[in-house]
Amino acid sequence: EAGVTQFPSHSVIEKGQTVTLRCDPISGHDNLYWYRRVMGKEIKFLLHFVKESKQDESGMPNNRFLAERTGGTYSTLKVQPAELEDSGVYFCASSQDLGLSEQYFGPGTRLTVT
Amino acid sequence: QKEVEQDPGPLSVPEGAIVSLNCTYSNSAFQYFMWYRQYSRKGPELLMYTYSSGNKEDGRFTAQVDKSSKYISLFIRDSQPSDSATYLCAMLTSGTYKYIFGTGTRLKVLA
Repeated sequence: EAGVTQFPSHSVIEKGQTVTLRCDPISGHDNLYWYRRVMGKEIKFLLHFVKESKQDESGMPNNRFLAERTGGTYSTLKVQPAELEDSGVYFCASSQDLGLSEQYFGPGTRLTVT
Repeated sequence: QKEVEQDPGPLSVPEGAIVSLNCTYSNSAFQYFMWYRQYSRKGPELLMYTYSSGNKEDGRFTAQVDKSSKYISLFIRDSQPSDSATYLCAMLTSGTYKYIFGTGTRLKVLA
């Protein structure tokens, strides 16, 4: 069974540019999560989808971040325009059930904004 | 104050040593406690989870939760060089799916 995949693995962009990160969850997993780790800090929750619906987006830092999950399959996270403080590793995770269900993490996308 | 505190290390131990990794937390509503292992350039992978005070064992790994002290531990017996990784504690309150992570402790087991 394929795990959670993320693309690209690394992205370097200039301040003010736009970047789109993609996450493909494990097939059949209705729940999809985005997290972010800024250098030296802990991994922090950004948002949670159940199928195509945003269940909880309380962790999204501001309106420069837009997450979508059309059709309830893969998800994209767009940052527009990117700022220096957006640099970090963006993780996607998916889980099968609601309730306490293991979240399987992807390898992350390392975003560097210069 | 952070909700979850974890010493970032690094922690270096010789092969075969017993390793103790710890997290403290301030939110008494946390009910589920997880330990994740993360190798370099990889995503975190779940090692163990527990939801009650006490010990839970899985092979060389033992997770311990003390809710009265708001303190959790992960013990690794007979540590191996392949255990070298960053270990993250994560916690959940009932009815939410938003993991609250510690910063992670970097462990290096020397051959």
